[in-house]
Amino acid sequence: KAGVTQTPRYLIKTRGQQVTLSCSPISGHRSVSWYQQTPGQGLQFLFEYFSETQRNKGNFPGRFSGRQFSNSRSEMNVSTLELGDSALYLCASSPGLLNSPLHFGNGTRLTVT
Amino acid sequence: SQKIEQNSEALNIQEGKTATLTCNYTNYSPAYLQWYRQDPGRGPVFLLLIRENEKEKRKERLKVTFDTTLKQSLFHITASQPADSATYLCALDGDSSNTGKLIFGQGTTLQVKP
Repeated sequence: KAGVTQTPRYLIKTRGQQVTLSCSPISGHRSVSWYQQTPGQGLQFLFEYFSETQRNKGNFPGRFSGRQFSNSRSEMNVSTLELGDSALYLCASSPGLLNSPLHFGNGTRLTVT
Repeated sequence: SQKIEQNSEALNIQEGKTATLTCNYTNYSPAYLQWYRQDPGRGPVFLLLIRENEKEKRKERLKVTFDTTLKQSLFHITASQPADSATYLCALDGDSSNTGKLIFGQGTTLQVKP
């Protein structure tokens, strides 16, 4: 069974630009969550999508948004990039059942200059 | 708000010994707690989940305990090997109504020396 796939692996953007990251979950998984990981803050929850609906949202500004398609693939978008958005963005999928562990991809490393 | 604390300092042990990692939490009563392993440049990998009504869970050389009175979980790796060297993250459910939101600790880096 293929794991969670995130593209691109690395990305360099300039302040003010916007970026779109992509995530393909494990086949059959209906829940996709996004996390931001930085050395200072660790792993922080951005949002979760389940069956194309946002089910939960973390404490991030509105510049961070996402969506999920009917095939469960998900994208997240960050607009008006700031230097502080430089981080590893991780996507995780699960069946969406209570207590299901998360299966993470290897992330997209975003650098904002 | 919920807060999780893990040993911030790296843990260095000799091969063959038991590694014990600590996870303390405050301001919350989680329904379950999970442990993940993360290698450099990779995403976290799920290891074990323990529910609030379970005291202990085992999987091969791994053992997790959950003390809801002390608000603490201990993660043990017995007969440790250099391949166990990684960062270990504990996470508690951020919202018992769904599965995708986890609150993670900062992680403890384990170094097993041959």
